[in-house]
Amino acid sequence: DVKVTQSSRYLVKRTGEKVFLECVQDMDHENMFWYRQDPGLGLRLIYFSYDVKMKEKGDIPEGYSVSREKKERFSLILESASTNQTSMYLCASGRFSGNTIYFGEGSWLTVV
Amino acid sequence: QKEVEQNSGPLSVPEGAIASLNCTYSDRGSQSFFWYRQYSGKSPELIMFIYSNGDKEDGRFTAQLNKASQYVSLLIRDSQPSDSATYLCAVPQNSGGGADGLTFGKGTHLIIQP
Repeated sequence: DVKVTQSSRYLVKRTGEKVFLECVQDMDHENMFWYRQDPGLGLRLIYFSYDVKMKEKGDIPEGYSVSREKKERFSLILESASTNQTSMYLCASGRFSGNTIYFGEGSWLTVV
Repeated sequence: QKEVEQNSGPLSVPEGAIASLNCTYSDRGSQSFFWYRQYSGKSPELIMFIYSNGDKEDGRFTAQLNKASQYVSLLIRDSQPSDSATYLCAVPQNSGGGADGLTFGKGTHLIIQP
């Protein structure tokens, strides 16, 4: 089975703090993704990566950055957290040659 | 920007009946289509995908694709209370396939009434 692990499940951070969300996959997938999900807005793609040290902007990259130093690990960084970044963050991975993606369990972030 | 449209619901179906979930998409070039199920407070999980026109069956689930009309459906036979969830339809961001991820509809909330 595909395993995508998000180490931080529930976080509460203060406005202005730097936040790191970590994601690790164990299926040797080339592609990794960060989405956020909000009521009424659905799933929106923040950033994705198809190779180590490669990153591409998704639909809503503002206020976020990412890091992919190893194939299995993809990190989402909020440089200065704001209340409008309170959300559920979902990491996903998939093979470069296919379109199917598999999600981690999600990270619930509250910024106060 | 690709668009994937779903009726938000809730769609209420009696236990044992067939639940029918629909999805329309804007890009005629889309080649593959995905259905995910998401329980409240959980992450989406893949149910099935379909590439070709017609029907694809997997257990109690049937995906139906009509490219000419640009819609894809998910039928759930013999609906069970455990099928109560939000169902997300998705298409690749890049019609040519590859690494760009999926564009999701906002989902249909399905309630199976015992």
